[in-house]
Amino acid sequence: DTEVTQTPKHLVMGMTNKKSLKCEQHMGHRAMYWYKQKAKKPPELMFVYSYEKLSINESVPSRFSPECPNSSLLNLHLHALQPEDSALYLCASSRETGFGAQPQHFGDGTRLSIL
Amino acid sequence: DQQVKQNSPSLSVQEGRISILNCDYTNSMFDYFLWYKKYPAEGPTFLISISSIKDKNEDGRFTVFLNKSAKHLSLHIVPSQPGDSAVYFCAAIQGAQKLVFGQGTRLTINP
Repeated sequence: DTEVTQTPKHLVMGMTNKKSLKCEQHMGHRAMYWYKQKAKKPPELMFVYSYEKLSINESVPSRFSPECPNSSLLNLHLHALQPEDSALYLCASSRETGFGAQPQHFGDGTRLSIL
Repeated sequence: DQQVKQNSPSLSVQEGRISILNCDYTNSMFDYFLWYKKYPAEGPTFLISISSIKDKNEDGRFTVFLNKSAKHLSLHIVPSQPGDSAVYFCAAIQGAQKLVFGQGTRLTINP
């Protein structure tokens, strides 16, 4: 059983829809991450939150909007997505950022399909 | 520019034998390396890690070796079991926050 819970597991949306992906962890971790994984590719970092503050944005388009309302929750708000945004979106958490605070623990992801 | 490379997309090993998965990296600034295992429809699961100040770390059936001069690390699994069949990702930490993954190697353990 994963300790990082992501909902929904699957999401199909049109290009004009607004939806949100949710991630929750109760391990007391203070760093949370969003990754995007395309088929047969490795996960690629999108955002890093450290102590509820955004610390890394990997030049992600503004149609993806992250939010960290508290230390246990991480959201990814989606608006006006493109078909090429269809992918597996993975959330991860770690005790903190930094070498000594690894590893990152991953959820099972949300499979997103854009029509 | 792919900074972490796993050049073998797949590997097939007989049950009970040793599995060796390889990983090369180009960025000498990487200080910490990890191996993750991924089953279909699940997120990556952490297996084992190694700091750049070490050359070996062992945890049960899993051993990771690091050769800094060659910028090469490997994961040894011995003995290999059917449940080890999965995709294995090598990853490196950059800037203490960013995890950079290799392309993955699909390991199949044959009975």
